[in-house]
Amino acid sequence: GAVVSQHPSWVICKSGTSVKIECRSLDFQATTMFWYRQFPKQSLMLMATSNEGSKATYEQGVEKDKFLINHASLTLSTLTVTSAHPEDSSFYICSASPRKRVLSDTQYFGPGTRLTVL
Amino acid sequence: AQSVTQLDSHVSVSEGTPVLLRCNYSSSYSPSLFWYVQHPNKGLQLLLKYTSAATLVKGINGFEAEFKKSETSFHLTKPSAHMSDAAEYFCVVSGYNQGGKLIFGQGTELSVKP
Repeated sequence: GAVVSQHPSWVICKSGTSVKIECRSLDFQATTMFWYRQFPKQSLMLMATSNEGSKATYEQGVEKDKFLINHASLTLSTLTVTSAHPEDSSFYICSASPRKRVLSDTQYFGPGTRLTVL
Repeated sequence: AQSVTQLDSHVSVSEGTPVLLRCNYSSSYSPSLFWYVQHPNKGLQLLLKYTSAATLVKGINGFEAEFKKSETSFHLTKPSAHMSDAAEYFCVVSGYNQGGKLIFGQGTELSVKP
């Protein structure tokens, strides 16, 4: 149980184009999903928190107009990198917290998406 | 504020020998603590979680961690390392009243020699 998928697993795009990454909770409903970015040999950096049906909350220094997040349902959140540039190349990981009566702080992580911008 | 410090950026052990990955935390309240493992180019897998029910927490794949409040530590151990244990390990604390945010340590890379 508690499986989170991401699609695509890797993507290569040209500079200036937009890329959409999907995050799905396959066997549970997720009130909250999180998006992280990870550079090589580094820890995860939280980019934003998305709650179903409301606007995402972005961490300081993360451009909300560049990284568009949509949490349209209890099982799907999307991250769109708009007008991508080479410096946006990174490993993007999503996670989801199961919907429970009591707020759960356990997050289940997706397998990640490797984005390369040429 | 909560924080977590992983004391070793890299640990190398021989197959069959014990594993110890060290983690210290800082929290003004009773925290939830986690250990996650990440294999190369993969997402994170939850190894175990501490939530104050028991100080010794058993996880998957033979790993366990002991919560020691007096030492503010949550070290991860395994009696006998396998080659498949080679990966990056993250000690994580749940942010208090922060909507479920997790605060990550910098990670410890575990290498296992044959």
